[in-house]
Amino acid sequence: GQNIDQPTEMTATEGAIVQINCTYQTSGFNGLFWYQQHAGEAPTFLSYNVLDGLEEKGRFSSFLSRSKGYSYLLLKELQMKDSASYLCAVFLSSASKIIFGSGTRLSIRP
Amino acid sequence: EPEVTQTPSHQVTQMGQEVILRCVPISNHLYFYWYRQILGQKVEFLVSFYNNEISEKSEIFDDQFSVERPDGSNFTLKIRSTKLEDSAMYFCASSAGVNYEQYFGPGTRLTVT
Repeated sequence: GQNIDQPTEMTATEGAIVQINCTYQTSGFNGLFWYQQHAGEAPTFLSYNVLDGLEEKGRFSSFLSRSKGYSYLLLKELQMKDSASYLCAVFLSSASKIIFGSGTRLSIRP
Repeated sequence: EPEVTQTPSHQVTQMGQEVILRCVPISNHLYFYWYRQILGQKVEFLVSFYNNEISEKSEIFDDQFSVERPDGSNFTLKIRSTKLEDSAMYFCASSAGVNYEQYFGPGTRLTVT
């Protein structure tokens, strides 16, 4: 079966740093996506990791360890607009489909 | 910036009726997808489509569902006989290649009464 785990909710303070973890056990793996989803809106692409290591893109960084089935999304200099759900999703090999985790609802307090 | 568009934004239908949800993917993209998200739940894969045929489909995508690319720009999802449990947000997505990021449309909220 396919299993993707991430915390249900997290809270952080404006200006701080937060790390959202994701672990996965899937039959096949091509890469791992992180998406941001505001309530009532579509997911928007943040990052895609295929190889192990850290990829940085502005205030957002994403890390992948394929051997450990683990990824995290790091958000720096948090802003109130970062309050959203963050979706970890695995792109399965030999199948052009993405399996999503349930998402982590991040709340930013002033 | 190019984007995926979907129509209608909201569709209300009675149980047992057929609905067609429409999507216009980004113009140079080759892979097309449909996902759904029941309120408060996670995004679920329905189907992927490439080279005018289905590449992969999930268990949700039974014989009540079909997809079509009727012309060079539109990509549609048809539900033949809607059920109450089909009520959800339906997202279309497209990507330039199989290992590329998928861009999501704004979604169609389907309400079955």
